[in-house]
Amino acid sequence: DTGVSQDPRHKITKRGQNVTFRCDPISEHNRLYWYRQTLGQGPEFLTYFQNEAQLEKSRLLSDRFSAERPKGSFSTLEIQRTEQGDSAMYLCASSPLRNQNTEAFFGQGTRLTVV
Amino acid sequence: KNQVEQSPQSLIILEGKNCTLQCNYTVSPFSNLRWYKQDTGRGPVSLTIMTFSENTKSNGRYTATLDADTKQSSLHITASQLSDSASYICVVSASGNAGNNRKLIWGLGTSLAVNP
Repeated sequence: DTGVSQDPRHKITKRGQNVTFRCDPISEHNRLYWYRQTLGQGPEFLTYFQNEAQLEKSRLLSDRFSAERPKGSFSTLEIQRTEQGDSAMYLCASSPLRNQNTEAFFGQGTRLTVV
Repeated sequence: KNQVEQSPQSLIILEGKNCTLQCNYTVSPFSNLRWYKQDTGRGPVSLTIMTFSENTKSNGRYTATLDADTKQSSLHITASQLSDSASYICVVSASGNAGNNRKLIWGLGTSLAVNP
């Protein structure tokens, strides 16, 4: 499979626990994005990497959220001390470093439920 | 305010029929417009991407049009299949800078149901 891969697909956790999601982008895609999507809404941008450098973080990304892309390949998104409001679909997307009209290819998402 | 509006909100058609979905946008600066298909509980899948200089683009049974003057786009689906049942989302990129996938303005989508 050469698409964007996310793991796990589903995660149920108790409030206050930490969770970590993984994203494997399309091979050789330099850019990697994390989004959050709640029911009935479009994805909201969280953060963006170009290779291993995290170039932008949305104001939505509170101190409890951290993302890494240590070797410029896969990325992880960690949420500490989860809250019920964190329940959402977390989407990862990647794109090649080409031009401004390069579209993003999305993974299947990780659905997080905080109980 | 950057906005993308889609119509209709939902649509039910019979298998084999054609349909057209509409998208109006007020986004500046405009970089490109995309149509995505999203099945429930899954990530969006790209159908087409168009810059302001492109009027039409096809991807199999999907044909998208763009009128940059009136800021309108449409997605036409021909010979619909049951597997076309999904949400179709119009997305406009609001930035001309590199890494423009971080400034995407999403419509709320049209929920399409194709019945046998």
